[in-house]
Amino acid sequence: EAEVAQSPRYKITEKSQAVAFWCDPISGHATLYWYRQILGQGPELLVQFQDESVVDDSQLPKDRFSAERLKGVDSTLKIQPAELGDSAMYLCASSSDPYINTQYFGPGTRLTVL
Amino acid sequence: KNEVEQSPQNLTAQEGEFITINCSYSVGISALHWLQQHPGGGIVSLFMLSSGKKKHGRLIATINIQEKHSSLHITASHPRDSAVYICAVSNNDMRFGAGTRLTVKP
Repeated sequence: EAEVAQSPRYKITEKSQAVAFWCDPISGHATLYWYRQILGQGPELLVQFQDESVVDDSQLPKDRFSAERLKGVDSTLKIQPAELGDSAMYLCASSSDPYINTQYFGPGTRLTVL
Repeated sequence: KNEVEQSPQNLTAQEGEFITINCSYSVGISALHWLQQHPGGGIVSLFMLSSGKKKHGRLIATINIQEKHSSLHITASHPRDSAVYICAVSNNDMRFGAGTRLTVKP
């Protein structure tokens, strides 16, 4: 069965360093989502792509976070510089249709900022 | 106040017990989702429903659109059901509840 792939699964970094996360959605899924999930809370949308275009990045802290999906397939989420409060699980999800909204989630990247 | 509220926040049960997790929402929706998040972080979609009731194995999900309320039931619970169960609602975007941490003890 097709799955959403994410790497790395775990990342430990020091504050002020740069980190990058990678997501490969299910083949053919045009919609890709990046979420941040702080421990004990539900996921919070950071950015939504439709193909290579950003549909919603209203909750993305643009002073330090950036996301791209250059060819409309895989995507990279970057944080520079990382802050202590960025420690969280970063989840990627994909969907074949943004309106039906059945999203398939990847395993996540757990980030710890020291 | 969150747009999606779940209760209880934490739930401990003995193996075999019938479990109910509740979700209330305050926004208009096109669908409601129940998700299961394993300790490693991965999220699995259990149900997507917009009316009535759905059943899959020992899991049952119901929704009352008028009351803006949904329940997830687990019959004959098992330790492998231990996970965080997240309610989410979708319209133009997806809004998530904080999750219910379920622990089923043998």
